[in-house]
Amino acid sequence: EAQVTQNPRYLITVTGKKLTVTCSQNMNHEYMSWYRQDPGLGLRQIYYSMNVEVTDKGDVPEGYKVSRKEKRNFPLILESPSPNQTSLYFCASSLLGRSMNTEAFFGQGTRLTVV
Amino acid sequence: DAKTTQPPSMDCAEGRAANLPCNHSTISGNEYVYWYRQIHSQGPQYIIHGLKNNETNEMASLIITEDRKSSTLILPHATLRDTAVYYCIVGFQKLVFGTGTRLLVSP
Repeated sequence: EAQVTQNPRYLITVTGKKLTVTCSQNMNHEYMSWYRQDPGLGLRQIYYSMNVEVTDKGDVPEGYKVSRKEKRNFPLILESPSPNQTSLYFCASSLLGRSMNTEAFFGQGTRLTVV
Repeated sequence: DAKTTQPPSMDCAEGRAANLPCNHSTISGNEYVYWYRQIHSQGPQYIIHGLKNNETNEMASLIITEDRKSSTLILPHATLRDTAVYYCIVGFQKLVFGTGTRLLVSP
């Protein structure tokens, strides 16, 4: 079954304690991205990757890092989490189509609380 | 900023067709129109997309106006499980989500 898997689904952590949210896809997609969703603000892109070792900032990258060492994995790293990073996070993947004709698959989300 | 405008909420009776409008007056000639939905706080789910022709799949139909400045997503026989937030998105790899339309399907 084609899917994007995020872990953990829920996480409560303390300010400053480094954490990683993992994301894995089994569809051999080139393009992967991370979004955060906050009430009233919709989904906003944090980082994206167009292929292995190719990453770039999205709209709200501050306080986050990513890596793309393997095609299937795209972890989101919070080096020093702060309460304003409390949010619902989604990972997504899609083919890197030349014709803009491609759908995105989303993970089930990670609800992060930083206290 | 999102390139689309959608009504914030709509109601639909179960079994009736739900018609969700979207305005995208600044769409470029090679940009597709995508529709996704989000049920509760689950990951957004792809519904359908199109360029200029009307499209239909097992979930919905997409009607795009000839000038491509607006479109309508049609759920032909809405069920309670179709209650969700529906997002109309114009773009490429980067999906710019607006606030969508909250569709409430009632018995």
